[in-house]
Amino acid sequence: RKEVEQDPGPFNVPEGATVAFNCTYSNSASQSFFWYRQDCRKEPKLLMSVYSSGNEDGRFTAQLNRASQYISLLIRDSKLSDSATYLCVVSLNAGGTSYGKLTFGQGTILTVHP
Amino acid sequence: GAGVSQTPSNKVTEKGKYVELRCDPISGHTALYWYRQSLGQGPEFLIYFQGTGAADDSGLPNDRFFAVRPEGSVSTLKIQRTERGDSAVYLCASRLAGQETQYFGPGTRLLVL
Repeated sequence: RKEVEQDPGPFNVPEGATVAFNCTYSNSASQSFFWYRQDCRKEPKLLMSVYSSGNEDGRFTAQLNRASQYISLLIRDSKLSDSATYLCVVSLNAGGTSYGKLTFGQGTILTVHP
Repeated sequence: GAGVSQTPSNKVTEKGKYVELRCDPISGHTALYWYRQSLGQGPEFLIYFQGTGAADDSGLPNDRFFAVRPEGSVSTLKIQRTERGDSAVYLCASRLAGQETQYFGPGTRLLVL
């Protein structure tokens, strides 16, 4: 079983749609959680961190359920510029030798069309 | 300010050759990571440096892979006797001490023929 698993996708949605991505992680010791965005042939960039209380950044809302080891990302009012691959990422981040090591899901491709 | 830079941006080599990939982290970032991303997959961790020392090299796939960071800044990933399966994008990231965010470089696309 992969450490981080995401919806296989791809997602193809019209502008203005709401789209949700889900992700599960297997290591219950994981401490930090993120969504990264990766444009075609570009490097991953941090979209947002994910907290247990849930957090929102404009049209983007992230949720974490530690009991279920489940992370989600909701994008409202999709824009053409949201088209990218979205990577679910976890980190043990518990100090020691593996501090900050990121474990990525395989990514979900989102295409927003006119 | 300047971000993480990686050179070369593309590298084509033949099976069995030796390659070196370079990473220049953001100035002042003490933590440096190497990841490898194959087509259609997320990046996979290779090695983590804290300063000059490799704090965690558990992701290196075998002893053909080696990385150094002799002065705690620039790092070089070295691959001996390259194989076609080594073809991937090699990403470098750096992080400021005490902060969570890793900043990725544009990567080096390695193609082994």
